[in-house]
Amino acid sequence: DAGVIQSPRHEVTEMGQEVTLRCKPISGHNSLFWYRQTMMRGLELLIYFNNNVPIDDSGMPEDRFSAKMPNASFSTLKIQPSEPRDSAVYFCASSGVGGTEAFFGQGTRLTVV
Amino acid sequence: DQQVKQNSPSLSVQEGRISILNCDYTNSMFDYFLWYKKYPAEGPTFLISISSIKDKNEDGRFTVFLNKSAKHLSLHIVPSQPGDSAVYFCAAKDGGSQGNLIFGKGTKLSVKP
Repeated sequence: DAGVIQSPRHEVTEMGQEVTLRCKPISGHNSLFWYRQTMMRGLELLIYFNNNVPIDDSGMPEDRFSAKMPNASFSTLKIQPSEPRDSAVYFCASSGVGGTEAFFGQGTRLTVV
Repeated sequence: DQQVKQNSPSLSVQEGRISILNCDYTNSMFDYFLWYKKYPAEGPTFLISISSIKDKNEDGRFTVFLNKSAKHLSLHIVPSQPGDSAVYFCAAKDGGSQGNLIFGKGTKLSVKP
């Protein structure tokens, strides 16, 4: 198994532009998580899905952020419009039914200038 | 309000000695605890875990201790090796919340030859 796959690995965009981050979870996993890592706040949970349904999006910073999971093998995190303070590394992770640990992708480093 | 706290941002240890990384939590509903290891430019990888019904779990050079009354857990690495140099994240899970992991901010471990 290739593990959790995220794209792109790096994204540099100008303030005000729309950014879309993509994630393919491990096949057969039913939970998917989006995390953001910053120096100040560490690893923050933004949103997680269970069986493609958003369960808890209380970590999503504001309405500029949205996440979708149209099927079991794909999820997107969209920021529109992007701002410099959104610069961070965004991780996607997945876990299986009854699984206790989450498996992470390699992350997308987002820089908003 | 941080539910999982790693109060030491960094730790430096000599090769061959013991590394002790600490983690405190506030939510008494947490019933499963995990340690993740993260190298630069990679996603966090699962290292070791412990259920709240245990007070110790050992895997090779890595041992996790849980003190529920103090809401404290620690990761011991012995002997420490230069390849152990990484950021270590403590995470906790509330089984009733369908599985999302709450992370601490991490401790950067440096093992010097």
